[in-house]
Amino acid sequence: NAGVMQNPRHLVRRRGQEARLRCSPMKGHSHVYWYRQLPEEGLKFMVYLQKENIIDESGMPKERFSAEFPKEGPSILRIQQVVRGDSAAYFCASSTTTGVTDTQYFGPGTRLTVL
Amino acid sequence: GESVGLHLPTLSVQEGDNSIINCAYSNSASDYFIWYKQESGKGPQFIIDIRSNMDKRQGQRVTVLLNKTVKHLSLQIAATQPGDSAVYFCAEKFRAGGTSYGKLTFGQGTILTVHP
Repeated sequence: NAGVMQNPRHLVRRRGQEARLRCSPMKGHSHVYWYRQLPEEGLKFMVYLQKENIIDESGMPKERFSAEFPKEGPSILRIQQVVRGDSAAYFCASSTTTGVTDTQYFGPGTRLTVL
Repeated sequence: GESVGLHLPTLSVQEGDNSIINCAYSNSASDYFIWYKQESGKGPQFIIDIRSNMDKRQGQRVTVLLNKTVKHLSLQIAATQPGDSAVYFCAEKFRAGGTSYGKLTFGQGTILTVHP
C-alpha cells in the first residue's frame, strides 16, 4: 500500500515564476492537507481539502497561493510569481476522515528553492 | 495566537538511555495530541497519540504523558537507539469555530541525537 506521494521532491524556480506541487493521497483517503515548513521550524498548516472542495484555507496566504483537489488526479498547490520567502519544504498529508483521532499521514515533501 | 511550543530544542543521549522530550501547549480546548518523528529529508512519521480524556498512553518503547493542569505533554522513549535520532514534534488538534478537526498545530521541534 503506497503512502502519500509528492512530486517533485525538489523544485527550483526563479523569482516571478510559478511553482506547482502535486500530492497523491494514500489509497482510500479523501482528505488532503498542505503544510509549509521553514528551516528549523515546525510545520504550519496551510489548507485542508476534500475532493473538489476547500474546507479550511485559514493558513493560506491571501495572494499568489491556491490549492485544488479535483475529482480525478492529485491535489495541486500552486504558487504564482514566487519570491525568495516562498523557499521552504511543503508537505502534504492525507486521512480517511476528519474525526478527532483520525491520523494524518505525511508525504516526503517538496523542497522549493527560489533563486 | 495560540501555539504549541517545546522547552528544549536539542537533546543528546547515550544509546540505551531513556529520553524525555517535552512540549507545552497553550490551547486548553485541544482534544487530541500527537507526536511525530521527522528524519532528515523526510516527512513527519506518526509515533503515538493521546486524547485529552487520558493522561497516559503506551506504545512500543514510547509513552506519552498528558498533564492538562499545566498544559504539558511529554514523550518518553525507552532504551533509546541511534535510529531514534531525529526531530520530534508535538502537534495538537482542536475544533476551531465549530468546523472539523482538520488542522494540526505543530510545535517547533526537538532535535534528539543518540550517541552509540
